[in-house]
Amino acid sequence: GQQVMQIPQYQHVQEGEDFTTYCNSSTTLSNIQWYKQRPGGHPVFLIQLVKSGEVKKQKRLTFQFGEAKKNSSLHITATQTTDVGTYFCAPYSGNTPLVFGKGTRLSVIA
Amino acid sequence: SQTIHQWPATLVQPVGSPLSLECTVEGTSNPNLYWYRQAAGRGLQLLFYSVGIGQISSEVPQNLSASRPQDRQFILSSKKLLLSDSGFYLCACARGRSSYEQYFGPGTRLTVT
Repeated sequence: GQQVMQIPQYQHVQEGEDFTTYCNSSTTLSNIQWYKQRPGGHPVFLIQLVKSGEVKKQKRLTFQFGEAKKNSSLHITATQTTDVGTYFCAPYSGNTPLVFGKGTRLSVIA
Repeated sequence: SQTIHQWPATLVQPVGSPLSLECTVEGTSNPNLYWYRQAAGRGLQLLFYSVGIGQISSEVPQNLSASRPQDRQFILSSKKLLLSDSGFYLCACARGRSSYEQYFGPGTRLTVT
């Protein structure tokens, strides 16, 4: 079955520093989604990437899909305290439900 | 847009007691529905999903079961809870195929004592 690895598991940054989380799949993906879960809350959909090499931006967030469609990254520029939470990737390979990664928990120290 | 209702928000139940969690969806028809469980500080474990009324797929062997009696209603049940059933239970829906983005309900925090 599909294996998903998301790294790092935890990341502590000073406010203003950059942050990146990576998602790697053992199989070629149809698409990949990213979600954010604030502490005590529920996951919220951020974005979906479909095309090989695709790059999408949402303000300070940059999402990339690898050329081989097996990996993806989420980069946050100049983190703020509002960025605190757990970021999940959810790769989709076309024949099973979405599989969520274990997530990267981001802490931002003001 | 979709709205997902879940209740109760928190629940404390003794070991061996039954469980029934309900999820209802507004704003969409014939959605895919999902039940996830999240242990404290951990990832999302898919328990069940449904592509239509009466159609349930189980991802993980559990003492839990799910039912979909109506198009926009998804129920998670257990006849006898175990301590290991404690966690944050989330219901989610997707517009159609599994590749579409999922919208999550507010969740139920279950503590089995």
